[in-house]
Amino acid sequence: AQSVTQPDIHITVSEGASLELRCNYSYGATPYLFWYVQSPGQGLQLLLKYFSGDTLVQGIKGFEAEFKRSQSSFNLRKPSVHWSDAAEYFCAVGGYGGSQGNLIFGKGTKLSVKP
Amino acid sequence: NAGVTQTPKFRVLKTGQSMTLLCAQDMNHEYMYWYRQDPGMGLRLIHYSVGEGTTAKGEVPDGYNVSRLKKQNFLLGLESAAPSQTSVYFCASSYSKRLLARETQYFGPGTRLLVL
Repeated sequence: AQSVTQPDIHITVSEGASLELRCNYSYGATPYLFWYVQSPGQGLQLLLKYFSGDTLVQGIKGFEAEFKRSQSSFNLRKPSVHWSDAAEYFCAVGGYGGSQGNLIFGKGTKLSVKP
Repeated sequence: NAGVTQTPKFRVLKTGQSMTLLCAQDMNHEYMYWYRQDPGMGLRLIHYSVGEGTTAKGEVPDGYNVSRLKKQNFLLGLESAAPSQTSVYFCASSYSKRLLARETQYFGPGTRLLVL
């Protein structure tokens, strides 16, 4: 079955520290992978996406993610977290096999940032 | 260019009442989606549409109906609201003409619905 797992429900990091949010997927076809961010009371904003090519992708706000096919992972990283990064982060997977363009979302990881 | 907009932003209903949520997009996108977001559940797809006049069921369609009479609008209806439908509803759209582009969805700000 197709699924996305975000193992960490809630993570707290200090401002200026590095960040890694984990995402593992199970998908039968070639996966396309996404990270979205949701600030409190807001909709979802696309941070970055991976379709093919270089497995390290750069996104907005200084985020990057690395696709590792052998580990079925697409972890999100940021070298130095800012207080404004406090939000909830969702990993999602879609694929060529989904003609309707559906995405399967993980349950999210809430990020808190300590001053 | 407003992107994806949703109305209303917030609504309180009594059990058994009906209402319609409106989603509008001005990006000429073919595909539109309705999701619900519940704590600890992530986003779950309710219904989606691959073009004007077409709709299909998603993961959690029961209790909801949808219509796509115009390309830019996607309506979500609750005929008889239940407390279990208390949630935050998000609309999204994507552009399907290029294969990979249809996978990138753009989201509205959400509608908070409370059913008492």
